[in-house]
Amino acid sequence: DVKVTQSSRYLVKRTGEKVFLECVQDMDHENMFWYRQDPGLGLRLIYFSYDVKMKEKGDIPEGYSVSREKKERFSLILESASTNQTSMYLCASKWDRANTEAFFGQGTRLTVV
Amino acid sequence: GENVEQHPSTLSVQEGDSAVIKCTYSDSASNYFPWYKQELGKRPQLIIDIRSNVGEKKDQRIAVTLNKTAKHFSLHITETQPEDSAVYFCAAKWAGSYQLTFGKGTKLSVIP
Repeated sequence: DVKVTQSSRYLVKRTGEKVFLECVQDMDHENMFWYRQDPGLGLRLIYFSYDVKMKEKGDIPEGYSVSREKKERFSLILESASTNQTSMYLCASKWDRANTEAFFGQGTRLTVV
Repeated sequence: GENVEQHPSTLSVQEGDSAVIKCTYSDSASNYFPWYKQELGKRPQLIIDIRSNVGEKKDQRIAVTLNKTAKHFSLHITETQPEDSAVYFCAAKWAGSYQLTFGKGTKLSVIP
């Protein structure tokens, strides 16, 4: 079974803090993604990575950055957390560019106070 | 970029009835259309997908249909059961891209 694991289930951070969300997959997938899930807005793509050290902006990259130093790990960074970044964050991975299943992590609910 | 519209946003059905969720996409180059189910507090999981060279696909009580000309695809659930209650997301991916574009989701409630 593919396993995508996010480091925290719940996080509470203060405005202005630098926040790291970590995601690890164990299936040697090339592609990894960070989505944000908000009620009524569905899943919106923040950033993705198609290979180690490679990254591409998604639909809502403002206020975020990412890092992929190793194939299995993809980090989402909030440089200076703001209250409007309070949300559920979902990591996903898939084998490659082909039309195959994306596997999701369990999500991190981030609250910025 | 791709845009995916999903309707309805909420749907309530009696147990045993059928449920239909519809999505439209904007990019005619899209060729892959998966559906994900997210139960309360859990991660989204793929339940069925369809590729653009196929018009319909079935898996037990669920089916997906695709109309490429009209650029829409639908999820059909027959004989609904309480465990079908969840949020369902449609998605589209255009040929050569890495990422999926998701609809906003449909909250399905099956009333016993």
